[in-house]
Amino acid sequence: GESVGLHLPTLSVQEGDNSIINCAYSNSASDYFIWYKQESGKGPQFIIDIRSNMDKRQGQRVTVLLNKTVKHLSLQIAATQPGDSAVYFCAVYGYGGATNKLIFGTGTLLAVQP
Amino acid sequence: EAGVAQSPRYKIIEKRQSVAFWCNPISGHATLYWYQQILGQGPKLLIQFQNNGVVDDSQLPKDRFSAERLKGVDSTLKIQPAKLEDSAVYLCASSLWQAAPDTQYFGPGTRLTVL
Repeated sequence: GESVGLHLPTLSVQEGDNSIINCAYSNSASDYFIWYKQESGKGPQFIIDIRSNMDKRQGQRVTVLLNKTVKHLSLQIAATQPGDSAVYFCAVYGYGGATNKLIFGTGTLLAVQP
Repeated sequence: EAGVAQSPRYKIIEKRQSVAFWCNPISGHATLYWYQQILGQGPKLLIQFQNNGVVDDSQLPKDRFSAERLKGVDSTLKIQPAKLEDSAVYLCASSLWQAAPDTQYFGPGTRLTVL
C-alpha cells in the first residue's frame, strides 16, 4: 500500500524567511499529490497540487517540487508570515483498496517566529 | 458559499457509551467523506459516500462504527460502544464528485474525548 511520510515534525522559521517542508512517498505509481494546511481547530485546507507529469508548480507564495526519481516532494513558502503557522500535510491521491482516496502523511508543524 | 458544517464541535464521553456526529456538506456536493484524525497524525478515511450510496468503507471498524447518508445530503457517524482509542477529531468533507480531490472541502471537525 501507499505510505506518506514527512522528514521533520517541526519547522521553526523567522518571519520573512523562506520555508521548505519535505515529504516522501512509497508508491512509484502515485500520480497526484496535494499539500494541505491545517490551522488549530480547523479542517485541512487545500493549498496546491501537482501531477506526476510535472516537476514544479507555483501558486501564490507557494511552490511544490516533485522528484519522482527519489519519490520526494516539497512545499516551499516564500516570505513566510505569521499567518502561515499551521500543520502542513502532504497527501497522495490514489487507489487505496476499494477506490481512489487521499492518503495523508503525518504532518509538519510550521512555527513562524516574529 | 457556506462551508461544511459539523456538530457538535466537542464531545466528551466515557468508554462504552455511544456518540453520534452530524455533517451537512456543501450544497450540491455529491461525495461525502468521514475521516478520523488522531492527534499528531494525518486524517484517515473511514467512509466515502456518493450521493446516498457507500463507495468505500474498507477502513471503518464496522463492529462499532456506523454511518448513513439518508437522502444523499446530511450524514451521521455513530460509535457504539466507544473505546479509549476512538479519541480523535472526526472530520467530514465533501466534494463535487468522486475523482476531484482538489474540490474536497473539510469541515472544522468534532473533537471526541473518550475517558
